Amino acid sequence: DSGVTQTPKHLITATGQRVTLRCSPRSGDLSVYWYQQSLDQGLQFLIQYYNGEERAKGNILERFSAQQFPDLHSELNLSSLELGDSALYFCASSETSGAPYEQYFGPGTRLTVT
Amino acid sequence: AQSVTQLDSQVPVFEEAPVELRCNYSSSVSVYLFWYVQYPNQGLQLLLKYLSGSTLVKGINGFEAEFNKSQTSFHLRKPSVHISDTAEYFCAVIAWGSGNTGKLIFGQGTTLQVKP
Repeated sequence: DSGVTQTPKHLITATGQRVTLRCSPRSGDLSVYWYQQSLDQGLQFLIQYYNGEERAKGNILERFSAQQFPDLHSELNLSSLELGDSALYFCASSETSGAPYEQYFGPGTRLTVT
Repeated sequence: AQSVTQLDSQVPVFEEAPVELRCNYSSSVSVYLFWYVQYPNQGLQLLLKYLSGSTLVKGINGFEAEFNKSQTSFHLRKPSVHISDTAEYFCAVIAWGSGNTGKLIFGQGTTLQVKP
């Protein structure tokens, strides 16, 4: 158990819909990262938050957005869903943002868009 | 831009045999290197990491890796594998240059299939 929790574990929804994925980092970790794992793209970095502020953006679509709340949990919002958004979405957390500390991964949320 | 290449998509091996999973990276700045393992229907677990110091690093479950700067490689090895090592293995890098954020750049993964 990494200490990172993600809900829900599975999500099945239809095209055009909007969903919210939730992540709670390890106690004390200030930095949260979101990654997408799909068969065709592999594991890709989406976005990072550090202590409530956006720190870096990767290959994140404009239809996707995220935020980190004062209690440090984070949410990833996916809207106008397409079939190609079906993937496993991971959240990871680390102590800080300014050094290559180990990132602890949650179990992931599997999103299926039908 | 930084990139990671895992040279084998699948590696079949018999139980108790040695194994090497190959990883090469490309970066113009300092790098920190990681190997993660993903068991079926689970998240990613860190096997080992290279941040600095000795180029031979040891990790969990008997795995080790060697950082070779001149070859830009970070191959993962285990002298004797078990059925339970069957999983997907990911090599990843943090490129430490301007705009340091700690984001991981992953290779495409190598499926290790251990046969009895």
